[in-house]
Amino acid sequence: GQNIDQPTEMTATEGAIVQINCTYQTSGFNGLFWYQQHAGEAPTFLSYNVLDGLEEKGRFSSFLSRSKGYSYLLLKELQMKDSASYLCAVRPNTDKLIFGTGTRLQVFP
Amino acid sequence: GAVVSQHPSRVICKSGTSVKIECRSLDFQATTMFWYRQFPKQSLMLMATSNEGSKATYEQGVEKDKFLINHASLTLSTLTVTSAHPEDSSFYICSARSRTGPQPQHFGDGTRLSIL
Repeated sequence: GQNIDQPTEMTATEGAIVQINCTYQTSGFNGLFWYQQHAGEAPTFLSYNVLDGLEEKGRFSSFLSRSKGYSYLLLKELQMKDSASYLCAVRPNTDKLIFGTGTRLQVFP
Repeated sequence: GAVVSQHPSRVICKSGTSVKIECRSLDFQATTMFWYRQFPKQSLMLMATSNEGSKATYEQGVEKDKFLINHASLTLSTLTVTSAHPEDSSFYICSARSRTGPQPQHFGDGTRLSIL
C-alpha cells in the first residue's frame, strides 16, 4: 500500500526556522513534492526532489533520502503569511500524486 | 504560466441534486486530469484519473456511478456528483498533468460543495 506520514500540527515564532518531516512507503518512487495550501485554496507548488540531497529555493529548502523514505521541508525566516498547511506528495509512477496527511503550521508573532 | 480554471467555485444545493464541476486547461492541452476531494482539516484524496477520449480510472472505494467523469476534449474534464447527499459536501479540486517543468500537476482553485 501507499503510506505518507507528516506531523499533524506545528507552531513556530516569526523569524524562526521550522522543519516539517515526511516519511513515506510507496509502491514506486518517481519524485517527492512539497505544496503549501492556505485554507479554502488550491495547493501551491513549493519544491521537488527526485535525487538524494538538499534543494534550496529562497527561504524554503527540501531534503530527500530515498533509502530512508524520508524528506523534510525547511522554512527559514518565518513570516506570518507562512501560516498554512504543508503537504508532502509522492509520485509513485509517471502520473499519480499521493498526498500525505498534511501539516498545519501556525506562526506566532 | 499554465493555468487551470475550475468552475463553479462554490455550490450550495439541496440533497438529491446532481452537481457538475468543470475543469479547464486554459493555455495547454491536458490529456490527463485528476480529481481530488478534501474534507476539512484533511489532505487531498485522489478520486480518479481522467484521460481524454477514454474512461476514467477510479481509486479504490470511489463509486463510479456516483461520481461521473467525462473528459471529452483536450482542455475540459467534468465531474458530476449525482444525487448528492450531505456526506458528499467537501472541497473538490481538479488538476492537469504538466508537460514541462518540475511541477507535476497544475491545480484548479477548487469547488466548495455544500449539500443541505
